Amino acid sequence: QKEVEQNSGPLSVPEGAIASLNCTYSDRGSQSFFWYRQYSGKSPELIMFIYSNGDKEDGRFTAQLNKASQYVSLLIRDSQPSDSATYLCAVSAAGGTSYGKLTFGQGTILTVHP
Amino acid sequence: DVKVTQSSRYLVKRTGEKVFLECVQDMDHENMFWYRQDPGLGLRLIYFSYDVKMKEKGDIPEGYSVSREKKERFSLILESASTNQTSMYLCASSLQDRFNEKLFFGSGTQLSVL
Repeated sequence: QKEVEQNSGPLSVPEGAIASLNCTYSDRGSQSFFWYRQYSGKSPELIMFIYSNGDKEDGRFTAQLNKASQYVSLLIRDSQPSDSATYLCAVSAAGGTSYGKLTFGQGTILTVHP
Repeated sequence: DVKVTQSSRYLVKRTGEKVFLECVQDMDHENMFWYRQDPGLGLRLIYFSYDVKMKEKGDIPEGYSVSREKKERFSLILESASTNQTSMYLCASSLQDRFNEKLFFGSGTQLSVL
């Protein structure tokens, strides 16, 4: 059974702090990892993806991947109230052509308070 | 911009009714998906399609079927609606290329089965 687990929330951080969102996955063959952001009442949108071990930075966002530990995380530096949303970790199917098929975690609700 | 349009934002149906949820995308994407989203469970894949008339089961296909007669349209069918199918249904599409996990979501249909 493929599973993607995210750290239980909700997570509340003050404005300007670093928010850390964590995710583990069970399928060791998984190759590609994604973070989607979903504002309340809206649809998910892709904000980060990572394929290789290590860190990938994009503005205030850093995705970290450790395949040996089957762990992926998202750090948000200088958190802003506009970052308040549900963050969904997603993992693509291992091997072959995934056709974009993703397994999502349950999501972590992040609240950034002024 | 990619647009994925779902026919209804809110839908109320009776137990046992046959329900059709429609999704249309305007960017010539090969891949299309139906997910349902429930609190605490995240997004779960019901069915996906990587070409016209091609379909594959996702993780929770029971009680659902799909139809893809044209590339831009992907329909989800609840053969006999039950109360446990009350949920938010999200349609998504993606290109069939190296970024096929970049899903574009519709705004969702909140289905209530009474």
